Amino acid sequence: GIQVEQSPPDLILQEGANSTLRCNFSDSVNNLQWFHQNPWGQLINLFYIPSGTKQNGRLSATTVATERYSLLYISSSQTTDSGVYFCAVLTGTASKLTFGTGTRLQVTL
Amino acid sequence: DARVTQTPRDKVTEMGQEVTMRCQPILGHNTVFWYRQTMMQGLELLAYFRNRAPLDDSGMPKDRFSAEMPDATLATLKIQPSEPRDSAVYFCASAQSGGGYSTDTQYFGPGTRLTVL
Repeated sequence: GIQVEQSPPDLILQEGANSTLRCNFSDSVNNLQWFHQNPWGQLINLFYIPSGTKQNGRLSATTVATERYSLLYISSSQTTDSGVYFCAVLTGTASKLTFGTGTRLQVTL
Repeated sequence: DARVTQTPRDKVTEMGQEVTMRCQPILGHNTVFWYRQTMMQGLELLAYFRNRAPLDDSGMPKDRFSAEMPDATLATLKIQPSEPRDSAVYFCASAQSGGGYSTDTQYFGPGTRLTVL
């Protein structure tokens, strides 16, 4: 099956710093989503981005499908950005999302 | 504000007991998923339904787990008998899949935290 790798696995930032999270996948995908799992465990949709670039406030994402990677940018990080960020992909005709192992982000004051 | 709801939010039970988890998908969504999250395995798909029909339950231990959609507004996941290794957070998600307005974007519920003693 498809492999989804995320880097870095852990990241500690000071409030106000910028960061880039990466998601590599091993095969063509039909869909890619970024999620934020907050410290209470809730999985929150950030982006649906099979290709191209999208922005939402301080967050933006770019997927380069031909090169099989996606990037999530967080600018001016805040403590509320802490949690785990997952990318997940859909392949083939199935609707099964395959999740990466996540990047654990901690934003400190 | 449409969202996926799950009950119960927390469940503590003893080994051997039956556990039923419920999910109400977003109104109008035709695809419902059950995921399990553990520290060791991460997030893994257990089963999913489209238009209430089971499409894939290959991720689910068949001997003790069962998933159903009695109607379009309710999905259930049952474990009988439960075992300590079933302790995990179980998420339900829904999506509008297929057709002209489909995006396949999956929206997750808050999860049910199951502890089997």
